[in-house]
Amino acid sequence: QQQVKQSPQSLIVQKGGISIINCAYENTAFDYFPWYQQFPGKGPALLIAIRPDVSEKKEGRFTISFNKSAKQFSLHIMDSQPGDSATYFCAASNFNKFYFGSGTKLNVKP
Amino acid sequence: NAGVTQTPKFQVLKTGQSMTLQCAQDMNHEYMSWYRQDPGMGLRLIHYSVGAGITDQGEVPNGYNVSRSTTEDFPLRLLSAAPSQTSVYFCASVASGANVLTFGAGSRLTVL
Repeated sequence: QQQVKQSPQSLIVQKGGISIINCAYENTAFDYFPWYQQFPGKGPALLIAIRPDVSEKKEGRFTISFNKSAKQFSLHIMDSQPGDSATYFCAASNFNKFYFGSGTKLNVKP
Repeated sequence: NAGVTQTPKFQVLKTGQSMTLQCAQDMNHEYMSWYRQDPGMGLRLIHYSVGAGITDQGEVPNGYNVSRSTTEDFPLRLLSAAPSQTSVYFCASVASGANVLTFGAGSRLTVL
């Protein structure tokens, strides 16, 4: 079964809007939760990450919210731009073994 | 500093043929892994290695073999290709304890 569940599968947002992608996990042994961004024809690249002892992490327009008790975490993209259009993957890891969500294709309309 | 290098970028096989996807990294990372990416399925872990001489299975290992004779190289072998193995394959590596997984550019495989 899938270790990390991600939704939605696709997302359309107007320029300047907020994009929100959600993920859930079951294994409480996971100790690192990164988000990866992938552009067409490229490999995924680390965007932002959080550890479970922190409830929120912000880097520029990107914020991770983490709810340890609910075993959920989400990515918020503020002031979404057309250049943010990409596929986003959440992941969870333990001892360098990474499990990924199914991905969200984000389209930011100008 | 090339990072993670995958070859070939594209490959077409016939059912039953064998081939090896190559992966090399020049960052002296201990941990290396192979993923396959399919629409709606995300990235699924095929095999991984925590160091030279040590490999283990991931989520979808059937039909694939790996070996790790050096720190730098982690080839993925398809012994008898099947259409279900049509996918984009990514190799990734990370330094022990560093947590930043670095991906290669991917290899697109089509099995007819």
